[in-house]
Amino acid sequence: ELKVEQNPLFLSMQEGKNYTIYCNYSTTSDRLYWYRQDPGKSLESLFVLLSNGAVKQEGRLMASLDTKARLSTLHITAAVHDLSATYFCAVLGAGADGLTFGKGTHLIIQP
Amino acid sequence: EPEVTQTPSHQVTQMGQEVILRCVPISNHLYFYWYRQILGQKVEFLVSFYNNEISEKSEIFDDQFSVERPDGSNFTLKIRSTKLEDSAMYFCASSDNSPTEAFFGQGTRLTVV
Repeated sequence: ELKVEQNPLFLSMQEGKNYTIYCNYSTTSDRLYWYRQDPGKSLESLFVLLSNGAVKQEGRLMASLDTKARLSTLHITAAVHDLSATYFCAVLGAGADGLTFGKGTHLIIQP
Repeated sequence: EPEVTQTPSHQVTQMGQEVILRCVPISNHLYFYWYRQILGQKVEFLVSFYNNEISEKSEIFDDQFSVERPDGSNFTLKIRSTKLEDSAMYFCASSDNSPTEAFFGQGTRLTVV
């Protein structure tokens, strides 16, 4: 059974700081997704990482994938309040259609 | 920009009643999914649907659940006899070519009382 673990689950940080969210998964996969969710809203796709060593950047967010370590990171640079949200990583297991999600990281960025 | 739309946005139903949640996927997409998120918890996969049949379902998707694509545009999730624990946000998603990026709808919040 594929398991996806995120840490931390809760993160409070100040504007301007850098931080990294980690996503570990338990079985072989080379397809990993990061989503953002605002309270009561849907899931917004941030990044799709499809191969080992993939790195993608959008604004202050950068995601990477290491399939050998079964680890993805979401790095936040010089955080701003607008990035406050819950961030989920999700993994597509081999041969599967459905994504397995982590529990999410609830991120609060304070002025 | 094309989007997945879901109706209703919020539904309240009595325990034991049947509910149908509706979704209109993005028009050229071929793969359709339902996920649910119990309040404050992680998102869980329910079922995927391709070529007019279920292609994968999770353990959650038991006999009380069914999906249907009754016409060329709608994709529905039926819960036959709702239980209190079915209260959750239900998300529909679609993709053009699994397993590429799936686009999620805004969700239907189901409250069973």
